[in-house]
Amino acid sequence: DIVMTQSPLSLPVTPGEPASISCRSSQSLLHSSGYNTLGWYLQKPGQSPQLLIYLGSNRASGVPDRFSGSGSGTDFTLKISRVEAEDVGSYYCMQALQTPFTFGQGTRLDIK
Amino acid sequence: EVQLVESGGGLVQPGGSLRLSCAVSGFTFSNYHMGWVRQAPGRGLEWVANIRPGGSEKFYLDSVRGRFTISRDNARNSLYLQMNSLRVEETAVYYCARGEMYAYDYWGQGTVVTVSS
Repeated sequence: DIVMTQSPLSLPVTPGEPASISCRSSQSLLHSSGYNTLGWYLQKPGQSPQLLIYLGSNRASGVPDRFSGSGSGTDFTLKISRVEAEDVGSYYCMQALQTPFTFGQGTRLDIK
Repeated sequence: EVQLVESGGGLVQPGGSLRLSCAVSGFTFSNYHMGWVRQAPGRGLEWVANIRPGGSEKFYLDSVRGRFTISRDNARNSLYLQMNSLRVEETAVYYCARGEMYAYDYWGQGTVVTVSS
């Protein structure tokens, strides 16, 4: 199974400041098609997860442009350019290259 | 508007069975991969199963293979998860989700499964 490792696991951020979350996979997520099969999700408190980024760097519909994804192969990063209060929650990366699809442990973002 | 609505959760004894349903609307169901993801209380997300658009190919988490069955009825726009021989540690919120571009782009609100004696 592909192991997904996120860091940090806890991220206190001052509103207006940037934030960054790392996700590393135990093997390359680069599909033969050229796509990185990595997605980022945000689960706000009491809500279902929502897709933020797909294929490593593509923002999902309706996602603010302060969210960006980068990386390739085994190293990926989610960046928030200026954190807002509504960004509080748990962030997960998930690989969909092969089953079982696997998630990172989650990174809990809180406002300082 | 894309909607996914799960149902069928509840309290079941260890070793018991439940059938979860996910009714979808707002998109052409038969064109999409679909999956189930669960979240135990206070824990992270765990993928459970996935099914291809035609329903012929199904994929499972090792720990549920042979006990859980994912299926779909494209005529009824519905996804199912038959869960047998349930274990206490499978107590969780179960979400159905739509697959697109190697991600799950829409999720339901979840249904709670509690396995307890």
